[in-house]
Amino acid sequence: QQQVKQSPQSLIVQKGGISIINCAYENTAFDYFPWYQQFPGKGPALLIAIRPDVSEKKEGRFTISFNKSAKQFSLHIMDSQPGDSATYFCAASRIRGANNLFFGTGTRLTVIP
Amino acid sequence: DGGITQSPKYLFRKEGQNVTLSCEQNLNHDAMYWYRQDPGQGLRLIYYSQIVNDFQKGDIAEGYSVSREKKESFPLTVTSAQKNPTAFYLCASSPLGGEAFFGQGTRLTVV
Repeated sequence: QQQVKQSPQSLIVQKGGISIINCAYENTAFDYFPWYQQFPGKGPALLIAIRPDVSEKKEGRFTISFNKSAKQFSLHIMDSQPGDSATYFCAASRIRGANNLFFGTGTRLTVIP
Repeated sequence: DGGITQSPKYLFRKEGQNVTLSCEQNLNHDAMYWYRQDPGQGLRLIYYSQIVNDFQKGDIAEGYSVSREKKESFPLTVTSAQKNPTAFYLCASSPLGGEAFFGQGTRLTVV
């Protein structure tokens, strides 16, 4: 079963717009929630991560919003640029446990000029 | 130049052959992982290891084998028992409880 559910599968946004990707999880033992960015033919790279003691984390144009009671978290990309076009994966893990990540199925973002 | 090195970048396998994918890291990370990536399915965990000479099965371990004889190396063998091996394989490493870093991947194709 999919431990982390991600939507939408694909997203097209105009340059300068806001891109929003959503994820939901079931396992309340998860306490680390990273987002990865992947360009074609490359490995994923860590973009931003959050732990559940905060509801929001911002790094530049990227913001994670976290809702512990709803077991949901989302990535917001402000002022989206064509260079942001990539596949984005959310993930979750128990950082004090097995330390392996459960990934969402990915969102292919296309930012059109 | 620290990081994770996967080789080869492209690999072709004939039916019935075993092939081994290399993963080396010089980040002094304790944990290493192998993931398989298929279109529309995200990343699925094959095996992981948190310490030398020990490893655990992930969600899709059937048809794969690993070894962890050295801290910096975690090779993956795709055996002939893996019926659908064509995929993009990603190796990652992390400190225990820390961020995971990925290699650039190996694309395996059955010919």
